[in-house]
Amino acid sequence: QVQLVASGGGVVQPGRSLRLSCEVSGFTFSKYGMHWVRQAPGKGLEWVAFIGSDERNEHYGDSVKGRFTISRDNSKNTLYLEMNSVRAEDTALYSCVRGSQVDHGIMDVWGQGTTVSVSS
Amino acid sequence: DIQMTQSPSTLSASVGDRVTITCRASQSIDIWLAWYRQKPGEAPKLLVYRASTLESGVPSRFSGSGSGTDFRLTISSLQTDDFATYYCQQYNYYPYTFGQGTRLDIK
Repeated sequence: QVQLVASGGGVVQPGRSLRLSCEVSGFTFSKYGMHWVRQAPGKGLEWVAFIGSDERNEHYGDSVKGRFTISRDNSKNTLYLEMNSVRAEDTALYSCVRGSQVDHGIMDVWGQGTTVSVSS
Repeated sequence: DIQMTQSPSTLSASVGDRVTITCRASQSIDIWLAWYRQKPGEAPKLLVYRASTLESGVPSRFSGSGSGTDFRLTISSLQTDDFATYYCQQYNYYPYTFGQGTRLDIK
């Protein structure tokens, strides 16, 4: 079955860096665009970033642009999110999400996520 | 950026009721809108895309409508499974944006 398993979360100090990973299985990873979406505790959903299937097409939310970098390794079926200069407001559950083949903006499969807590 | 505004923020209803949640975009997004349901402690689940196309496997009690700036998600007869939070999301322009959510509670 389709699985998206995120890891790499934890407690990080403000201004430091963290790299999240998302290992996928059950579908041909190289054929799908992928997203990161986050949810702060008790809050709504916030789109973070998107990368196309060919690794060349990247887009970011305003609050993370210039600080976060999305990437992927199709040979390892793995999606990444490099988080630099983290802030308290980056504290959230980060989920990797598959973009639909109908339109990559449609988020058709969601992983359970990994929690990032930014605190000194 | 496109702002997505859902109403109401909270809705109380009973099993069997018909309910409608609305979503308004700050500018036209044509039909490029999706709806998701998130139960407590779970990941969101895609319900509707292209404003009115039901995702495979989603019960027919769900329906979506609208275009341009005004959209609606209707649940024709509420089941216990439906008491959750619902989000709309536009995917016409980057950055993609979600509505703030509508929490559907049992009355």
